[in-house]
Amino acid sequence: EDKVVQSPLSLVVHEGDTVTLNCSYEVTNFRSLLWYKQEKKAPTFLFMLTSSGIEKKSGRLSSILDKKELFSILNITATQTGDSAVYLCAVCDAGNNRKLIWGLGTSLAVNP
Amino acid sequence: DVKVTQSSRYLVKRTGEKVFLECVQDMDHENMFWYRQDPGLGLRLIYFSYDVKMKEKGDIPEGYSVSREKKERFSLILESASTNQTSMYLCASSPSAGGGGTPDTQYFGPGTRLTVL
Repeated sequence: EDKVVQSPLSLVVHEGDTVTLNCSYEVTNFRSLLWYKQEKKAPTFLFMLTSSGIEKKSGRLSSILDKKELFSILNITATQTGDSAVYLCAVCDAGNNRKLIWGLGTSLAVNP
Repeated sequence: DVKVTQSSRYLVKRTGEKVFLECVQDMDHENMFWYRQDPGLGLRLIYFSYDVKMKEKGDIPEGYSVSREKKERFSLILESASTNQTSMYLCASSPSAGGGGTPDTQYFGPGTRLTVL
């Protein structure tokens, strides 16, 4: 069965710390991997990754995909309290109407 | 920017009531989705639609139906609400391939928190 597993489930850090969130997957027909940020509302899109080894970057956030080892990481440097959220990883299944298979998320709390 | 709106942010209904959740997107997206999100279970797909009047069952369609009469609007219907349908309901949309965007990327509405008493 296809699945996406995120770790850790939750994380508490202090402002200024750097964090690494992990997403591993087992999806038969991989098409892409997406990261979303969810505060107390709907998920908002961060990155989409399709190729191994190519880093996507937006400000203090960056992400990379390893299609050989079947995982992705999301890095956040110099964390701020506004980074507190649940970070969701999803894999697009090319063989199933491009449905997204979702992980359960990592809950990040950044303390001042 | 893509805008997906949902008719209500909070809704309280009684067991057995028929419930309508409305979703509208303004980006001319072909694809629309309904999810529910519960603690410990994550996002689960209820139904999706790739075109007007077209619908496909997701992973948990039981107890739900949908309607897509116009491209921009996708409605989720709970025929007879039950307490186990208390949840956060999220609507999303995405463009088709060649539609000027990436079909994989789904854009979400603000969600409707439904409580069934």
